[in-house]
Amino acid sequence: DQQVKQNSPSLSVQEGRISILNCDYTNSMFDYFLWYKKYPAEGPTFLISISSIKDKNEDGRFTVFLNKSAKHLSLHIVPSQPGDSAVYFCAASARAGNMLTFGGGTRLMVKP
Amino acid sequence: DSGVTQTPKHLITATGQRVTLRCSPRSGDLSVYWYQQSLDQGLQFLIQYYNGEERAKGNILERFSAQQFPDLHSELNLSSLELGDSALYFCASSVGGRANGELFFGEGSRLTVL
Repeated sequence: DQQVKQNSPSLSVQEGRISILNCDYTNSMFDYFLWYKKYPAEGPTFLISISSIKDKNEDGRFTVFLNKSAKHLSLHIVPSQPGDSAVYFCAASARAGNMLTFGGGTRLMVKP
Repeated sequence: DSGVTQTPKHLITATGQRVTLRCSPRSGDLSVYWYQQSLDQGLQFLIQYYNGEERAKGNILERFSAQQFPDLHSELNLSSLELGDSALYFCASSVGGRANGELFFGEGSRLTVL
């Protein structure tokens, strides 16, 4: 039972345009959500997070939106750059939990 | 550099064998987490230790075991290896015992079982 799903395994975007990566979750106990970025041969690195008390969090070119009623979150990257090409994982945790549950990842390719 | 060190980076072994993966967390971090990533899939949580004690358990097989030592480094032991155990094994660390915050990941240990 996948509690966190990223239904798009890959996404291709032109440099300068917006990249939108989506994530759905099923566990209503999740109250904290994170996005990680992973380059080949490296470990995942934290990108941005959002608490369930918010519906938006912004950090430079990266914005995460949370729709609790739909159990959906998205990561917007504007403008996209070739260096953003990586695999993006969304993850979630519950206040009472001790671990992050990850989605399957979306491979983003930003074309020059 | 996340500050989390994993060894070995690559390991090739045969079915039925046993291997040990090692992780040194960031300085000051008390929690260590182990994750498995198979074939470009998501990261599957295996187990968490906090200050030497097991804190949470995920989908970890009985053939796998882990421990965290007094110096806070951790080892993941994989025994009676099967072809399906071939995967990237990531270690991550955090300051506290709860994962509702940032985890810092190592570069992973790639295990190939032939």
